[in-house]
Amino acid sequence: EVQLVESGGGLVKPGGSLGLSCAASGFTFSNAWMSWVRQAPGMGLEWVGRIKSNTDGGTTDYAAPVKGRFTISRDDSKNTLYLQMDSLKTEDTAVYYCTTYSSSDYYMDVWGKGTTVTVSS
Amino acid sequence: EIVMTQSPATLSVSPGERATLSCRASQSVSSNLAWYQQKPGQAPRLLIYGASTRATGIPARFSGSGSGTEFTLTISSLQSEDFAVYYCQQYNNWWTFGQGTKVEIK
Repeated sequence: EVQLVESGGGLVKPGGSLGLSCAASGFTFSNAWMSWVRQAPGMGLEWVGRIKSNTDGGTTDYAAPVKGRFTISRDDSKNTLYLQMDSLKTEDTAVYYCTTYSSSDYYMDVWGKGTTVTVSS
Repeated sequence: EIVMTQSPATLSVSPGERATLSCRASQSVSSNLAWYQQKPGQAPRLLIYGASTRATGIPARFSGSGSGTEFTLTISSLQSEDFAVYYCQQYNNWWTFGQGTKVEIK
């Protein structure tokens, strides 16, 4: 069974940093493109960023609101995806989901349960 | 950025009735359109991709149609477990989501 488990959420002050992890199992992680999607309280879904597989170059892309502040990385030896969040703002408060992309197209087919990040003084 | 607009914001439907949800893209996304269902406190679940292909395990009462800029998700006979928020998402040019349609019990 494909499973994604996020961790690392918590309370952080504006301007602070936080790192999230996503442990993957049940599929060949090294071949997978992965992304982070967030959902602010009571709001809709927002794509945060994507990392390609290392065989496809391992490149990353980010949504405009987080570009330059957030960094996505991966450790294929640990089947783990990461999201490093720096210079956090109150508007970054959200549930952060880790997702996989389909092996055949660019829709997100499996989602983790999410981890909550609260940015507040 | 491609803007996705869903309507209505809230749809009140009785169990057993048909529900029709709409999604419009600000420019053509071809058939690169997915639908997700989200229940309170849960992660989104993929229902439909390629505008009309049901994901694994999704009941046949869910169907998707459309291409270009206009898309529809139809739930033919609402079951109690179908009351949720539904999001459309385009993946033709990066990834953007609609604001969601809440399907509630009438």
